[in-house]
Amino acid sequence: GAGVSQSPRYKVAKRGQDVALRCDPISGHVSLFWYQQALGQGPEFLTYFQNEAQLDKSGLPSDRFFAERPEGSVSTLKIQRTQQEDSAVYLCASSLVTAAGQGGTNYGYTFGSGTRLTVV
Amino acid sequence: DAKTTQPPSMDCAEGRAANLPCNHSTISGNEYVYWYRQIHSQGPQYIIHGLKNNETNEMASLIITEDRKSSTLILPHATLRDTAVYYCIVRVLDTSGTYKYIFGTGTRLKVLA
Repeated sequence: GAGVSQSPRYKVAKRGQDVALRCDPISGHVSLFWYQQALGQGPEFLTYFQNEAQLDKSGLPSDRFFAERPEGSVSTLKIQRTQQEDSAVYLCASSLVTAAGQGGTNYGYTFGSGTRLTVV
Repeated sequence: DAKTTQPPSMDCAEGRAANLPCNHSTISGNEYVYWYRQIHSQGPQYIIHGLKNNETNEMASLIITEDRKSSTLILPHATLRDTAVYYCIVRVLDTSGTYKYIFGTGTRLKVLA
């Protein structure tokens, strides 16, 4: 497709359950970002991939959060032993160029519609 | 820490210009201002960005003050479909070498018929 695709669209998990959220970026996009958006708040950075390399994971809130992009295209965000505070919308964004080389040109991100995770 | 402050909500009459203000008083000289909007249940959508000069594209205009401490997004003829949350974002270069968007809480714009 032409856009960033995320699945599932909605996920309800019982507390303590592991979940996996998938992101299909735009084909050929080098950069991939994961953001977390709590209700009524702006998105917050979680992690960044340049191709298959995870260059920045400073925003991951705990070691229960793990992301991968093994072949430099599809990415999966995994949350182990989910807690209620993990309830949020998880957004994926991709960009054609590297986040370290954007300079002044517009390399705005294309966001997916997100996965709404509810932990009960 | 968010680097921008925006009013939480605004109303605008359909067909009129919507002017959305943003303060970014701690912005650094090489940090760009980006605007995105988010319609309910969708991901944020790019609108426009700028550094020092005013910018215009098919969607909007961006007016940045000379001291770069604030900016205004202008939607020249608002329609009902422009109802959304508008985020003013400063793109920062993190110590890891990654450019990141620092989102604030945004302005919820409601366009009224």
